[in-house]
Amino acid sequence: GESVGLHLPTLSVQEGDNSIINCAYSNSASDYFIWYKQESGKGPQFIIDIRSNMDKRQGQRVTVLLNKTVKHLSLQIAATQPGDSAVYFCAEKAAGNKLTFGGGTRVLVKP
Amino acid sequence: DAGVIQSPRHEVTEMGQEVTLRCKPISGHDYLFWYRQTMMRGLELLIYFNNNVPIDDSGMPEDRFSAKMPNASFSTLKIQPSEPRDSAVYFCASSLVGVGTYTFGSGTRLTVV
Repeated sequence: GESVGLHLPTLSVQEGDNSIINCAYSNSASDYFIWYKQESGKGPQFIIDIRSNMDKRQGQRVTVLLNKTVKHLSLQIAATQPGDSAVYFCAEKAAGNKLTFGGGTRVLVKP
Repeated sequence: DAGVIQSPRHEVTEMGQEVTLRCKPISGHDYLFWYRQTMMRGLELLIYFNNNVPIDDSGMPEDRFSAKMPNASFSTLKIQPSEPRDSAVYFCASSLVGVGTYTFGSGTRLTVV
Protein backbone atom coordinates (compact mmCIF):
# COMPACT_ATOMS: atom_id res chain seq x y z
CA GLY A 1 0.00 0.00 0.00
CA GLU A 2 1.02 3.63 0.03
CA SER A 3 3.58 4.76 2.53
CA VAL A 4 3.61 7.93 4.51
CA GLY A 5 7.20 9.03 4.92
CA LEU A 6 7.92 11.67 7.53
CA HIS A 7 11.59 10.78 7.58
CA LEU A 8 13.37 8.76 4.96
CA PRO A 9 15.41 5.91 6.44
CA THR A 10 19.04 6.41 5.51
CA LEU A 11 21.70 3.85 4.76
CA SER A 12 25.29 5.09 5.00
CA VAL A 13 27.77 2.84 3.27
CA GLN A 14 31.47 3.02 2.60
CA GLU A 15 32.50 3.19 -1.04
CA GLY A 16 33.31 -0.29 -2.26
CA ASP A 17 31.15 -2.06 0.30
CA ASN A 18 27.90 -3.84 -0.54
CA SER A 19 24.54 -2.20 0.19
CA ILE A 20 21.31 -3.91 1.12
CA ILE A 21 18.04 -1.99 0.94
CA ASN A 22 14.90 -3.57 2.31
CA CYS A 23 11.24 -3.12 1.50
CA ALA A 24 8.07 -4.60 2.97
CA TYR A 25 5.14 -4.69 0.58
CA SER A 26 1.53 -4.86 1.57
CA ASN A 27 -0.51 -6.64 -1.08
CA SER A 28 -0.21 -10.42 -1.23
CA ALA A 29 -1.85 -10.28 -4.67
CA SER A 30 1.04 -8.23 -6.11
CA ASP A 31 2.72 -10.18 -8.89
CA TYR A 32 5.39 -7.81 -10.09
CA PHE A 33 7.94 -5.70 -8.26
CA ILE A 34 10.32 -3.00 -9.35
CA TRP A 35 13.17 -1.05 -7.81
CA TYR A 36 13.62 2.56 -8.81
CA LYS A 37 16.48 4.98 -8.14
CA GLN A 38 15.84 8.68 -7.76
CA GLU A 39 18.67 11.18 -7.84
CA SER A 40 18.24 14.72 -6.64
CA GLY A 41 16.19 16.81 -9.06
CA LYS A 42 15.30 13.87 -11.29
CA GLY A 43 12.46 11.46 -11.76
CA PRO A 44 12.67 7.84 -10.59
CA GLN A 45 14.68 5.58 -12.90
CA PHE A 46 14.15 1.85 -13.36
CA ILE A 47 16.86 -0.36 -11.87
CA ILE A 48 15.60 -3.93 -11.86
CA ASP A 49 12.35 -5.87 -11.68
CA ILE A 50 11.19 -9.30 -10.58
CA ARG A 51 8.02 -11.32 -11.06
CA SER A 52 6.34 -13.18 -8.25
CA ASN A 53 7.24 -16.59 -9.74
CA MET A 54 10.91 -15.85 -9.04
CA ASP A 55 12.80 -15.33 -5.81
CA LYS A 56 16.01 -13.83 -7.17
CA ARG A 57 17.09 -11.81 -10.16
CA GLN A 58 20.49 -10.35 -10.96
CA GLY A 59 21.52 -7.39 -13.01
CA GLN A 60 24.74 -5.48 -13.36
CA ARG A 61 25.98 -4.99 -9.76
CA VAL A 62 22.40 -5.31 -8.46
CA THR A 63 20.42 -8.26 -7.18
CA VAL A 64 16.78 -8.30 -6.13
CA LEU A 65 15.49 -10.91 -3.69
CA LEU A 66 11.81 -11.63 -3.16
CA ASN A 67 10.36 -13.45 -0.16
CA LYS A 68 6.64 -13.84 -0.73
CA THR A 69 6.10 -15.66 2.55
CA VAL A 70 6.89 -12.55 4.56
CA LYS A 71 6.15 -10.05 1.77
CA HIS A 72 9.68 -8.73 1.70
CA LEU A 73 11.82 -7.40 -1.10
CA SER A 74 15.47 -6.43 -1.00
CA LEU A 75 17.92 -4.75 -3.33
CA GLN A 76 21.60 -5.56 -3.07
CA ILE A 77 24.15 -3.27 -4.67
CA ALA A 78 27.64 -4.70 -5.02
CA ALA A 79 30.74 -2.53 -4.66
CA THR A 80 28.75 0.62 -3.96
CA GLN A 81 30.01 3.69 -5.79
CA PRO A 82 29.50 7.43 -5.19
CA GLY A 83 27.09 7.49 -8.13
CA ASP A 84 24.83 5.12 -6.25
CA SER A 85 23.96 7.85 -3.75
CA ALA A 86 20.24 8.41 -4.25
CA VAL A 87 16.82 7.53 -2.88
CA TYR A 88 15.67 4.01 -3.72
CA PHE A 89 12.01 3.03 -4.00
CA CYS A 90 10.39 -0.34 -4.28
CA ALA A 91 7.11 -0.57 -6.16
CA GLU A 92 4.51 -3.33 -6.39
CA LYS A 93 1.91 -4.07 -9.02
CA ALA A 94 -1.27 -6.08 -8.55
CA ALA A 95 -4.05 -6.27 -11.13
CA GLY A 96 -3.97 -3.73 -13.92
CA ASN A 97 -1.00 -1.54 -14.68
CA LYS A 98 -0.96 0.50 -11.48
CA LEU A 99 2.23 0.71 -9.41
CA THR A 100 2.19 1.48 -5.69
CA PHE A 101 5.43 2.90 -4.31
CA GLY A 102 7.04 2.45 -0.94
CA GLY A 103 8.35 5.34 1.12
CA GLY A 104 11.95 5.14 -0.08
CA THR A 105 15.40 4.69 1.46
CA ARG A 106 18.20 7.22 1.10
CA VAL A 107 21.63 5.75 0.38
CA LEU A 108 24.67 7.88 1.20
CA VAL A 109 28.01 6.62 -0.06
CA LYS A 110 31.02 7.75 1.95
CA PRO A 111 34.31 8.09 0.07
CA ASP B 1 13.83 8.76 -27.84
CA ALA B 2 13.52 11.93 -25.76
CA GLY B 3 11.70 10.15 -22.95
CA VAL B 4 8.75 11.59 -21.07
CA ILE B 5 8.79 15.36 -21.35
CA GLN B 6 7.26 17.58 -18.71
CA SER B 7 6.86 21.34 -18.64
CA PRO B 8 7.49 23.61 -16.96
CA ARG B 9 10.36 22.32 -14.79
CA HIS B 10 9.59 24.87 -12.11
CA GLU B 11 6.45 26.86 -11.42
CA VAL B 12 5.95 29.48 -8.73
CA THR B 13 2.46 30.87 -8.43
CA GLU B 14 0.31 32.77 -6.00
CA MET B 15 -2.44 31.15 -4.04
CA GLY B 16 -5.70 31.22 -5.96
CA GLN B 17 -4.11 31.15 -9.39
CA GLU B 18 -4.68 28.44 -11.96
CA VAL B 19 -1.75 26.14 -12.68
CA THR B 20 -1.41 23.86 -15.69
CA LEU B 21 1.24 21.16 -15.87
CA ARG B 22 2.01 19.46 -19.16
CA CYS B 23 3.27 16.06 -20.19
CA LYS B 24 4.28 14.38 -23.42
CA PRO B 25 4.56 10.60 -22.99
CA ILE B 26 6.88 8.32 -24.91
CA SER B 27 5.54 7.70 -28.40
CA GLY B 28 3.65 4.42 -28.55
CA HIS B 29 3.06 4.13 -24.83
CA ASP B 30 -0.61 3.59 -24.05
CA TYR B 31 -0.61 4.31 -20.32
CA LEU B 32 0.00 7.70 -18.73
CA PHE B 33 0.25 8.37 -15.00
CA TRP B 34 0.35 11.52 -12.89
CA TYR B 35 2.11 11.28 -9.51
CA ARG B 36 2.71 13.82 -6.78
CA GLN B 37 5.77 13.62 -4.53
CA THR B 38 6.10 15.28 -1.14
CA MET B 39 8.33 14.57 1.84
CA MET B 40 5.29 13.87 3.97
CA ARG B 41 3.47 11.44 1.68
CA GLY B 42 6.07 10.17 -0.76
CA LEU B 43 4.94 9.27 -4.28
CA GLU B 44 1.16 9.31 -4.64
CA LEU B 45 -0.70 8.25 -7.76
CA LEU B 46 -3.21 10.94 -8.70
CA ILE B 47 -4.74 9.59 -11.90
CA TYR B 48 -3.91 7.35 -14.82
CA PHE B 49 -5.07 6.99 -18.40
CA ASN B 50 -5.17 4.07 -20.81
CA ASN B 51 -5.50 4.92 -24.48
CA ASN B 52 -6.36 8.51 -23.50
CA VAL B 53 -9.25 7.42 -21.26
CA PRO B 54 -9.08 8.12 -17.50
CA ILE B 55 -9.14 4.77 -15.70
CA ASP B 56 -8.63 5.61 -12.05
CA ASP B 57 -8.79 9.11 -10.58
CA SER B 58 -9.28 8.04 -6.99
CA GLY B 59 -6.01 9.69 -6.01
CA MET B 60 -7.04 13.15 -7.15
CA PRO B 61 -7.20 15.05 -3.88
CA GLU B 62 -10.02 17.47 -4.57
CA ASP B 63 -12.24 18.92 -7.24
CA ARG B 64 -9.64 21.64 -7.66
CA PHE B 65 -7.55 19.06 -9.52
CA SER B 66 -8.41 17.93 -13.04
CA ALA B 67 -6.51 16.02 -15.72
CA LYS B 68 -7.08 15.57 -19.41
CA MET B 69 -5.52 13.59 -22.21
CA PRO B 70 -6.89 14.93 -25.48
CA ASN B 71 -4.62 12.72 -27.59
CA ALA B 72 -1.97 10.04 -27.26
CA SER B 73 0.90 12.52 -27.13
CA PHE B 74 -0.29 15.10 -24.61
CA SER B 75 -1.76 15.35 -21.13
CA THR B 76 -2.39 18.18 -18.69
CA LEU B 77 -2.90 18.36 -14.96
CA LYS B 78 -4.69 21.50 -13.84
CA ILE B 79 -5.12 22.94 -10.36
CA GLN B 80 -7.68 25.69 -9.96
CA PRO B 81 -7.52 27.46 -7.58
CA SER B 82 -4.07 26.54 -6.29
CA GLU B 83 -3.27 26.46 -2.57
CA PRO B 84 0.06 26.41 -0.67
CA ARG B 85 -0.50 22.77 0.32
CA ASP B 86 -0.40 21.84 -3.37
CA SER B 87 3.33 22.63 -3.37
CA ALA B 88 5.09 19.44 -4.45
CA VAL B 89 6.92 17.82 -7.33
CA TYR B 90 4.50 16.45 -9.92
CA PHE B 91 5.67 13.59 -12.10
CA CYS B 92 4.24 12.19 -15.26
CA ALA B 93 5.11 8.64 -16.32
CA SER B 94 4.17 6.44 -19.25
CA SER B 95 4.28 2.74 -20.01
CA LEU B 96 3.20 0.06 -22.44
CA VAL B 97 0.47 -2.44 -21.64
CA GLY B 98 1.98 -5.66 -20.38
CA VAL B 99 5.21 -3.92 -19.40
CA GLY B 100 5.09 -3.03 -15.74
CA THR B 101 7.93 -0.55 -15.69
CA TYR B 102 7.14 3.10 -16.00
CA THR B 103 9.35 5.75 -17.54
CA PHE B 104 9.18 8.95 -15.54
CA GLY B 105 9.64 12.51 -16.65
CA SER B 106 11.90 14.91 -14.78
CA GLY B 107 8.98 16.41 -12.90
CA THR B 108 7.54 19.87 -12.32
CA ARG B 109 8.37 21.50 -9.01
CA LEU B 110 5.34 23.55 -8.03
CA THR B 111 5.52 26.20 -5.33
CA VAL B 112 2.33 28.00 -4.33
CA VAL B 113 2.94 31.08 -2.20
